[in-house]
Amino acid sequence: QVQLQESGPGLVKTSETLSLTCAVSGDSMTNFHWNWIRQSPGKGLEYLGYIYYSGPTNYNPSLESRITISVDTSKNQFSLKLYSVTTADTAVYYCARSKRYSGYDSGLDAWGQGTLVIVSS
Amino acid sequence: DILLTQSPATLSLSPGERATLSCRASQYISRYLAWYQLKPGQAPRLLIYDASNRATGIPARFSGSGLGTDFTLTISSLEPEDFALYYCQHRSSPFNFGPGTKVDFK
Repeated sequence: QVQLQESGPGLVKTSETLSLTCAVSGDSMTNFHWNWIRQSPGKGLEYLGYIYYSGPTNYNPSLESRITISVDTSKNQFSLKLYSVTTADTAVYYCARSKRYSGYDSGLDAWGQGTLVIVSS
Repeated sequence: DILLTQSPATLSLSPGERATLSCRASQYISRYLAWYQLKPGQAPRLLIYDASNRATGIPARFSGSGLGTDFTLTISSLEPEDFALYYCQHRSSPFNFGPGTKVDFK
């Protein structure tokens, strides 16, 4: 059974870069999409973007100018970088897995527990 | 962008009652919709994908229906562990979520 675990600093200063990693265990990363989602305090879920195991990405247009998602299949992990953060980026950040191909979508079928990142000056 | 609205915002029910949650898309989205359950301190859980397919391990009391713009998640008989937040998600870019429905104790 696949397991995902987020890690990274819990506190980031405004205008700096938020960096998180998601470690994947229990299954191969091959043929899956790897996603980031966040939930700000008191708000709903916001989709950030995904990376396919081979490298193609898709980002939320509202964040496209300051987000990068990368993958390292040799280490079974993928990462999120969010640049020039503000207090509005304070949130619980989740990583998740999905599988999509023509006519089929699995939904986000495995999630990490989430990690709280606070952005403060 | 296709926007999702969920209703009601809060559903106050008792264990054993039937819960009916609605998700409406601003445009036609075929069956590209998933439902998730969120509880504090836990990893979110996929309940339904492709509008009506139950995810692995999800109890039969959860069912999804709908096509196009109107979708429903039904919990046939609420168990105590079902009191949680529920989100729908459009499963095509930009993969927006709805604002959520909270199912709480009456």
